[in-house]
Amino acid sequence: AQKITQTQPGMFVQEKEAVTLDCTYDTSDPSYGLFWYKQPSSGEMIFLIYQGSYDQQNATEGRYSLNFQKARKSANLVISASQLGDSAMYFCAMREGLDTNAGKSTFGDGTTLTVKP
Amino acid sequence: DVKVTQSSRYLVKRTGEKVFLECVQDMDHENMFWYRQDPGLGLRLIYFSYDVKMKEKGDIPEGYSVSREKKERFSLILESASTNQTSMYLCASSSFLGGGGFRANVLTFGAGSRLTVL
Repeated sequence: AQKITQTQPGMFVQEKEAVTLDCTYDTSDPSYGLFWYKQPSSGEMIFLIYQGSYDQQNATEGRYSLNFQKARKSANLVISASQLGDSAMYFCAMREGLDTNAGKSTFGDGTTLTVKP
Repeated sequence: DVKVTQSSRYLVKRTGEKVFLECVQDMDHENMFWYRQDPGLGLRLIYFSYDVKMKEKGDIPEGYSVSREKKERFSLILESASTNQTSMYLCASSSFLGGGGFRANVLTFGAGSRLTVL
């Protein structure tokens, strides 16, 4: 079973509108972190936002927010006021066992977002 | 500016050749990772290392080996390259903040190495 599922291979959004990119995860570990990364066409992965499993509030970083629903095991990324520069591939990732050092991050298949002018 | 540097951006090799992909980070990070990225498959972990001379297999280690002789350098080795190893290879590093603190284990990535095996 996939640990990270991104069900939207591609998404379109009009400039200045908000968009939600879906991510569901599967883990039995109580201590985990969820991450979103952006990969523009240049190829370099950029960290966007982080949510810890014990965090009480949803994470926000500028125009990015994470809609964390722990019971549903979902961690959707919300981008407000989309810009043309937001066009990129977006990856959801999970790091289990945050209390240990020897851990790895598992990635979803990614969602390609296209912002239309 | 902190960086993860991958030695080659593009490589073309022949089947059966030995291939070295080098990765260097200047952030004094303990953890280093090699992923491969293929369309529709996301990023898949090949190997990772959480200390010098330590290595752990990821999800797809077959056909690869790694070396970490110094903290800042993590090398991926393809002993005998095959066409199904044509891919984008991404190196990443992270620190360990302990106790799952804020931004624990955020990955910093290199620019990637696109390998074509003919």
